[in-house]
Amino acid sequence: AQTVTQSQPEMSVQEAETVTLSCTYDTSENNYYLFWYKQPPSRQMILVIRQEAYKQQNATENRFSVNFQKAAKSFSLKISDSQLGDTAMYFCATDDMRFGAGTRLTVKP
Amino acid sequence: KAGVTQTPRYLIKTRGQQVTLSCSPISGHRSVSWYQQTPGQGLQFLFEYFSETQRNKGNFPGRFSGRQFSNSRSEMNVSTLELGDSALYLCASSEGLAGANEQYFGPGTRLTVT
Repeated sequence: AQTVTQSQPEMSVQEAETVTLSCTYDTSENNYYLFWYKQPPSRQMILVIRQEAYKQQNATENRFSVNFQKAAKSFSLKISDSQLGDTAMYFCATDDMRFGAGTRLTVKP
Repeated sequence: KAGVTQTPRYLIKTRGQQVTLSCSPISGHRSVSWYQQTPGQGLQFLFEYFSETQRNKGNFPGRFSGRQFSNSRSEMNVSTLELGDSALYLCASSEGLAGANEQYFGPGTRLTVT
């Protein structure tokens, strides 16, 4: 079965530092979309960032950016200047609605 | 705009019963997708409805069904409940088909089957 793999079940980072969450995926498509979603404790899941596979440039949204390596089928999320509010479960997802198992990120003061 | 709403928020049912969950998407959104979230299996896609038609379906048994109304509201039904159906059921709406578009998630319905 095609999979989305997040190899880090849990991570922690000190406030103001940078952390990178990894994701690899499987697809036979050439054109597709990839997503990172954030699910804070007891709160609704929200989109963090979206990447279109045909775009060479890595997507960036304020402190969040991705490192998209199409050939390697790798899609990592970098969070710069981590804030306490970044504490959440982070899910990587493909455009056929497959989600990774998630990475629980804790930002420590 | 109001966000995605799901009712009820919590539900306790007995094995063998059936249950209907409701989802109201963001105004103007035509796609509603349903997911099951459990600690063991993570987030799994159930199905997507767009303009009252099921467009995509995940790998769930026929006991799981859904429908979408002309106002884009959607319902999900689970018949003959099993203990393993205990989960958080999330619905998400998007303007276009979910694959290429940002999905907006609701708070979920927590279903407990005893």
